[in-house]
Amino acid sequence: AQTVTQSQPEMSVQEAETVTLSCTYDTSESNYYLFWYKQPPSRQMILVIRQEAYKQQNATENRFSVNFQKAAKSFSLKISDSQLGDTAMYFCAFMILQGKIIFGKGTRLHILP
Amino acid sequence: GAGVSQSPSNKVTEKGKDVELRCDPISGHTALYWYRQSLGQGLEFLIYFQGNSAPDKSGLPSDRFSAERTGGSVSTLTIQRTQQEDSAVYLCASSGSLGAGNIQYFGAGTRLSVL
Repeated sequence: AQTVTQSQPEMSVQEAETVTLSCTYDTSESNYYLFWYKQPPSRQMILVIRQEAYKQQNATENRFSVNFQKAAKSFSLKISDSQLGDTAMYFCAFMILQGKIIFGKGTRLHILP
Repeated sequence: GAGVSQSPSNKVTEKGKDVELRCDPISGHTALYWYRQSLGQGLEFLIYFQGNSAPDKSGLPSDRFSAERTGGSVSTLTIQRTQQEDSAVYLCASSGSLGAGNIQYFGAGTRLSVL
C-alpha cells in the first residue's frame, strides 16, 4: 500500500527564518509525482511545488524548495525567509495512478512575528 | 469559471437525512475529483471523473455515497442517510486532463456537520 508520513504535526518558527518540513513515503512504483500543498484557514488547497520522480534535480519555486531523495523515499520542503502568510497546514502528497493523490496527515506551520 | 466552485460552503444536517454537495470545476477541465478531509486528518480520495465517467468508485466509503457528473461539468456528491461519522470537509478538485502529474486545482470545500 502507498502511504505518506509527515512526522511533524506542528511547527513554529520566527518570521524570516528558514524551516524544513519532513515527508517520507512508501511505494514500489518507480515513476510518480510528488507534491506539497498548502491549506490556509480558507480551506482551499494551494499547490506549492511539484516534483517528478524521474527528475534528479530538486524543484524550486521562489522561496520554496524541496530535497528529494528517491532512494530514501524522502521529500522535504524548505521554506526560506518565512513570512506570516506562510502560516497554514502543509500536506505532502504523491500521485501514481491517474488522478488519485495520496496525502499525508499534514504539518501545521505557525510563522511568528 | 475562474476557479473551482463548491456549494454550499457549510451544511448542517440531521442524522438520517440525505445531502447533496455540488462542485463546479474550472471551465474546460475534463477531470474532476472528490476528497474527504476529516478533522485533523489528511485528505482521503473518494472518486474521480474523466468526462462523465467514473472508472473507479472503490474509494467511496459506503454505498450511502454516490456521485455523478453531467455534461462533463458540474458534479454532485450525494450522501444518503447521513451518519455522524460523515461529518467532514468535502473537497473537490479539477484538472485539465487525467494524466498523472496534472495539477489539481481545489475548491474551498463544503463543511458538512451531521448532528
